[in-house]
Amino acid sequence: DAGVTQSPTHLIKTRGQQVTLRCSPKSGHDTVSWYQQALGQGPQFIFQYYEEEERQRGNFPDRFSGHQFPNYSSELNVNALLLGDSALYLCASSSGLFNTGELFFGEGSRLTVL
Amino acid sequence: GQNIDQPTEMTATEGAIVQINCTYQTSGFNGLFWYQQHAGEAPTFLSYNVLDGLEEKGRFSSFLSRSKGYSYLLLKELQMKDSASYLCAVRDRGGGFKTIFGAGTRLFVKA
Repeated sequence: DAGVTQSPTHLIKTRGQQVTLRCSPKSGHDTVSWYQQALGQGPQFIFQYYEEEERQRGNFPDRFSGHQFPNYSSELNVNALLLGDSALYLCASSSGLFNTGELFFGEGSRLTVL
Repeated sequence: GQNIDQPTEMTATEGAIVQINCTYQTSGFNGLFWYQQHAGEAPTFLSYNVLDGLEEKGRFSSFLSRSKGYSYLLLKELQMKDSASYLCAVRDRGGGFKTIFGAGTRLFVKA
């Protein structure tokens, strides 16, 4: 049973560039949530995708956008990168929009912006 | 909005018991989770409370009081491998469920 997989694991970008991060949810899961975790902080909710639509969004600017594909995998795009975007980006999957169980996390994509 | 507070750091001795507190405010409470996160790794699920009371799972227990907006995670018989961050998270209802995390409590277990 494959868990949540994310790619790439590490990447380095420069200010102003754009980045795309990818996530495949755990088998049987159809809902994907993205989180940003700065060093020493808890995960901050970016947005949630279900049925290929953004269902909920946290307090992040429009530079952060996403997509969900018919196979439930998801992408997180960040445009016009800032130094402050350096963080671990976590993808979490669950089953259903009103899931009553826990989130399953991938290992994350660590983004460094220089 | 949501607000979750937990201590930044705690230190405890191997074999001892430690209690990590969490207070929260949310308009659409639908459950409280505790996750463990070792440095450089993904968070992993520890416990879940949706009703008041104590849930026990081996060396770990979690308590919830919805009227007080309060939870704690109790770790018994501490081991060195328990050194990690412990994240208190609240599931918020509104257009679907989303899980909001606190900043985490870094626990250091010393010999």
